[in-house]
Amino acid sequence: GQNIDQPTEMTATEGAIVQINCTYQTSGFNGLFWYQQHAGEAPTFLSYNVLDGLEEKGRFSSFLSRSKGYSYLLLKELQMKDSASYLCAVTDSNYQLIWGAGTKLIIKP
Amino acid sequence: IAGITQAPTSQILAAGRRMTLRCTQDMRHNAMYWYRQDLGLGLRLIHYSNTAGTTGKGEVPDGYSVSRANTDDFPLTLASAVPSQTSVYFCASSEEGLAETGELFFGEGSRLTVL
Repeated sequence: GQNIDQPTEMTATEGAIVQINCTYQTSGFNGLFWYQQHAGEAPTFLSYNVLDGLEEKGRFSSFLSRSKGYSYLLLKELQMKDSASYLCAVTDSNYQLIWGAGTKLIIKP
Repeated sequence: IAGITQAPTSQILAAGRRMTLRCTQDMRHNAMYWYRQDLGLGLRLIHYSNTAGTTGKGEVPDGYSVSRANTDDFPLTLASAVPSQTSVYFCASSEEGLAETGELFFGEGSRLTVL
């Protein structure tokens, strides 16, 4: 079956750096997305990786290794507003989006 | 402000009743989707539409139907609601369909409780 694994919950300190991992096992691969979802709100797009390597966008970076079926989202200079769930999603060979259950990130002062 | 509008935002419904969740987008996106989100699970695709006039089944289509009469509207109907359909429903759209890998834009969600 197809599977996306990410930690259920993580805690980090304001101003610090946190890395949220995502491993996937899917039938084929056509890209990986990260979305942010604040409690009670809609998911919003953060990043998209289709080639191996690191994509940087301000305080957020996303890394992909297709051979390892692995990605991470790196958040730097954490702010309280970064408290949210982070959703990893992979597009499989049929271009279906397979979603992970999300990682709830708690930021402490 | 351009985006996706869902209605209602919240609804409590008796089992066996019919319910339609409305979704309208003004971005002229070709593709639209309905997802449900349940605690501890990833978003699950119910139905999708790659373009006006066409629809397709997602991962969990049973008990739901959709229509796409025009580009902007994509209503989701529960013909006879059951308690297992208690969930948060998100409508989403993208410029391109499932054969591409475009960013999804989500509505604010509709929280449905079936008693």
